[in-house]
Amino acid sequence: QKEVEQDPGPLSVPEGAIVSLNCTYSNSAFQYFMWYRQYSRKGPELLMYTYSSGNKEDGRFTAQVDKSSKYISLFIRDSQPSDSATYLCAMSGHYGGATNKLIFGTGTLLAVQP
Amino acid sequence: DTAVSQTPKYLVTQMGNDKSIKCEQNLGHDTMYWYKQDSKKFLKIMFSYNNKELIINETVPNRFSPKSPDKAHLNLHINSLELGDSAVYFCASRLGTVNSPLHFGNGTRLTVT
Repeated sequence: QKEVEQDPGPLSVPEGAIVSLNCTYSNSAFQYFMWYRQYSRKGPELLMYTYSSGNKEDGRFTAQVDKSSKYISLFIRDSQPSDSATYLCAMSGHYGGATNKLIFGTGTLLAVQP
Repeated sequence: DTAVSQTPKYLVTQMGNDKSIKCEQNLGHDTMYWYKQDSKKFLKIMFSYNNKELIINETVPNRFSPKSPDKAHLNLHINSLELGDSAVYFCASRLGTVNSPLHFGNGTRLTVT
């Protein structure tokens, strides 16, 4: 079993829809949770990061962490065709420190249809 | 003015050859990484260097040898390439001592035939 599980999709939604992307994990030591967006033929770029449980909002994006269920989510409101990309969750036991290892999910491919 | 740049962008080579990938970052970061992304988009860490010192070395065949001549550069040399080495290799960097995100390059797409 992988430490981080993510539905690979693909997920296809119409423009304007609310998108929900999710990851589950098994390591209760994880405290820092991130979402990266990766466009085709590009490197991943950081979208959101949160510490421990709770919500964080940034524009159309909301990240949620439920440590009791070992479950994290990314919500995208009013989705746009430009949101079409692969979304990768990532997490670590601590964020600082040179030996920190970020563990990634397999990514969910999202297509927003105009 | 690309922050993390990798060369080459594409690499097509035959089994048994030796090849190198280069990475440079101009962000002033002290920690650099090599990640391998397979065809299913799974990103797996291979190596990490902090101030030119190897600090993370995952279970990677010893045909892969990273080298960091200074903290702005991290290269990856691969000997005796195999079909299974075909993947996208990403370089990334961050400030190792503070809460800062990983910055990725745009990857090197390696195809071994």
